[in-house]
Amino acid sequence: DAGITQSPRHKVTETGTPVTLRCHQTENHRYMYWYRQDPGHGLRLIHYSYGVKDTDKGEVSDGYSVSRSKTEDFLLTLESATSSQTSVYFCAISELSANTGELFFGEGSRLTVL
Amino acid sequence: GENVEQHPSTLSVQEGDSAVIKCTYSDSASNYFPWYKQELGKGPQLIIDIRSNVGEKKDQRIAVTLNKTAKHFSLHITETQPEDSAVYFCAASLGGSYIPTFGRGTSLIVHP
Repeated sequence: DAGITQSPRHKVTETGTPVTLRCHQTENHRYMYWYRQDPGHGLRLIHYSYGVKDTDKGEVSDGYSVSRSKTEDFLLTLESATSSQTSVYFCAISELSANTGELFFGEGSRLTVL
Repeated sequence: GENVEQHPSTLSVQEGDSAVIKCTYSDSASNYFPWYKQELGKGPQLIIDIRSNVGEKKDQRIAVTLNKTAKHFSLHITETQPEDSAVYFCAASLGGSYIPTFGRGTSLIVHP
């Protein structure tokens, strides 16, 4: 299994509070991603990173920010959590190239915003 | 951007039957099509992929077919087993160097 660790794995918080999810990898892969998974919507890309301090928005980035100060860590922050951000969040890593496009996913972080 | 439609959303079969999941994509330039399997409580995992220069690819009981003209591709699972029960996602991208766009997923249930 790819060395990806997400923390926390479960979190319950209240509307309006800040939340940070952490993704840590030991594979030295260049690309890191944050997805959210909701029933009926599949996997939707929130933000991704293609290197240290290099990040870009995905299709559902509103309300989220990210940071990558080290190759191995990618943080997802909800500055002021809302109930619509209740979801399961997955981190993924890859070395996108012409020869391989495989994404390796973490185990997920379940966030509940009350 | 790319749009991937996946059907059905739920598929229920008896053990030993075949299962087929179909996806369509919108960007004719897409040329890399992976399939991921997600077991309960886990992250998705790549099970097979196909590139546009290949019409079909097989790996034991699973196979993927691609019709570039019609812009659709399918996952075929033969001799299904209860451990095949999972959510399956198709995806499409502009080659392996690009971030894939995922379909909404198919929940496959295999009844013993």
